[in-house]
Amino acid sequence: TQLLEQSPQFLSIQEGENLTVYCNSSSVFSSLQWYRQEPGEGPVLLVTVVTGGEVKKLKRLTFQFGDARKDSSLHITAAQPGDTGLYLCAGLYSGAGSYQLTFGKGTKLSVIP
Amino acid sequence: NAGVTQTPKFQVLKTGQSMTLQCAQDMNHEYMSWYRQDPGMGLRLIHYSVGAGITDQGEVPNGYNVSRSTTEDFPLRLLSAAPSQTSVYFCASSPKLRVSVYGYTFGSGTRLTVV
Repeated sequence: TQLLEQSPQFLSIQEGENLTVYCNSSSVFSSLQWYRQEPGEGPVLLVTVVTGGEVKKLKRLTFQFGDARKDSSLHITAAQPGDTGLYLCAGLYSGAGSYQLTFGKGTKLSVIP
Repeated sequence: NAGVTQTPKFQVLKTGQSMTLQCAQDMNHEYMSWYRQDPGMGLRLIHYSVGAGITDQGEVPNGYNVSRSTTEDFPLRLLSAAPSQTSVYFCASSPKLRVSVYGYTFGSGTRLTVV
């Protein structure tokens, strides 16, 4: 069974603070995705990273893929209340079933005004 | 708007009742799947399909049936509801060979309570 470990599980911060969440596995991904889920809605894709060492930025969000493609991080600068939600990482493995995403359990972020 | 449509949004069932959760997508996606989401457990795959007429079991298939007679529709049937099936259910779809580009498109979920 291929597992994705996300940390921390919960995070509560004040508006304007910075934060980082992590996604780790013992297996190598062909690509990794980050989703955000707001209450009462389904997850929505934020970004896909494919190349080891790759860094992508989406406004105040910075996503990094580890050099060995086994881990990833999401850094949020100057968090805002609108960033509140559940952040999920999902890994795609090459080979058979390469359409099947494996999801982490998520990091629940609360940004307090 | 194009996307994944799930109905109903909320449902309360009595133990032993059966029901069907509906899922439809209008993006011509080959891949469709059902997940349940429970606190502390994350998203767990119930069943999935890679095309019309093809279905397969996921991590937690017991108590659920699926069929895929068309590309657009992928209903999930609860055969005899149990309190352990109280959960939020999500349907997701994707182009089978382009998951790394487009990711999964999720519906807005069905919150099911079994009493």
